[in-house]
Amino acid sequence: ELKVEQNPLFLSMQEGKNYTIYCNYSTTSDRLYWYRQDPGKSLESLFVLLSNGAVKQEGRLMASLDTKARLSTLHITAAVHDLSATYFCAVDMSANSGGSNYKLTFGKGTLLTVNP
Amino acid sequence: DARVTQTPRHKVTEMGQEVTMRCQPILGHNTVFWYRQTMMQGLELLAYFRNRAPLDDSGMPKDRFSAEMPDATLATLKIQPSEPRDSAVYFCASGLVRSGGWDKNTEAFFGQGTRLTVV
Repeated sequence: ELKVEQNPLFLSMQEGKNYTIYCNYSTTSDRLYWYRQDPGKSLESLFVLLSNGAVKQEGRLMASLDTKARLSTLHITAAVHDLSATYFCAVDMSANSGGSNYKLTFGKGTLLTVNP
Repeated sequence: DARVTQTPRHKVTEMGQEVTMRCQPILGHNTVFWYRQTMMQGLELLAYFRNRAPLDDSGMPKDRFSAEMPDATLATLKIQPSEPRDSAVYFCASGLVRSGGWDKNTEAFFGQGTRLTVV
């Protein structure tokens, strides 16, 4: 069974600081998503990482994927209050199912609070 | 602006009543997921469909939950009878998967969710 672990689960940081959220997964995967969720809202896709070494950046967020280590990171640079939200990573376990099952298993999420 | 549409957005019902949630996937997407989100369990995959056929519903309590896709533009999730522990936000998501895997130009898009409260 695929397990997806995020840490930390709670992150309180000050504006202007940098931090990294980690996403570890237990078995081989070939596709990893990062989503953002604001309170009471839906999940918004931030990044889709498709291969080992993939790095994507959007504004103050940068995501990377190391498939050998089964690790993805979401790095926050110079945080601002607007980044306060819950961030989820999700892993596609299709590589483990002979390519027949393309579905997403989610981590528990990281609740990020950016304080002024 | 293509989006996944879910109805209703909110539902309050009494224990024992039937609840039906609906989802309209993005036009052209062939894969539909149903997720349930709670504080305790996070996001759990209940069921998913490809080309309207159910592929996996192992995450769903079979005695009271059922999921169907009557046509390509509608997916439904029913709970009968509902119980207080079913209170959660239910999300539908859709995507496009080709024979070789996910279409590189698409991803899984989520609807706004149905917030269900069973009292």
